[in-house]
Amino acid sequence: NAGVTQTPKFQVLKTGQSMTLQCAQDMNHNSMYWYRQDPGMGLRLIYYSASEGTTDKGEVPNGYNVSRLNKREFSLRLESAAPSQTSVYFCASLRDSTQPQHFGDGTRLSIL
Amino acid sequence: EDKVVQSPLSLVVHEGDTVTLNCSYEVTNFRSLLWYKQEKKAPTFLFMLTSSGIEKKSGRLSSILDKKELFSILNITATQTGDSAVYLCAAGLQGAQKLVFGQGTRLTINP
Repeated sequence: NAGVTQTPKFQVLKTGQSMTLQCAQDMNHNSMYWYRQDPGMGLRLIYYSASEGTTDKGEVPNGYNVSRLNKREFSLRLESAAPSQTSVYFCASLRDSTQPQHFGDGTRLSIL
Repeated sequence: EDKVVQSPLSLVVHEGDTVTLNCSYEVTNFRSLLWYKQEKKAPTFLFMLTSSGIEKKSGRLSSILDKKELFSILNITATQTGDSAVYLCAAGLQGAQKLVFGQGTRLTINP
């Protein structure tokens, strides 16, 4: 099983460009999450989708939008990238509350 | 505001030593406490704790939760160089199962 797959793995953008990060899971999980990880700050939740058809803001949603395309896929969009959005982005999925979240390998995004 | 604090932030020890990593939390709607290990890429799951005082073990790693004092510890005995990683603690919340992460502890094991 592939688990949680994120694309691309690396990306460099210029300020003001737009970009969509893709995430897909093949575990038939109900919930999906987007986090960003910055040095010394752990992971912070950007947006999540508790079930297909629903999305909600997390701790740091400003500058981002999400789409839960179907049960498998959850994308994160930066409409107008800013240098403060330089980070490593992780997608995660969850079956139910008795299980841990499973993480993808991350997308390293640099905005110049 | 929900908060998870880990200590120490960084730790360097020699192979064979025993280490204890700390995690304290202050969150509303607490459900569980999770530990992850992060090497180069994705955090990988170690433990999920929901009950106080019950130790979970996996080989040389063990963890326990104290829901009265709001903290958890992760112990690693007979450390090996392969244990070098960032260890992340997270509080899982009721409902949508959001995770609130601590800053992480960077553990370095020297041969």
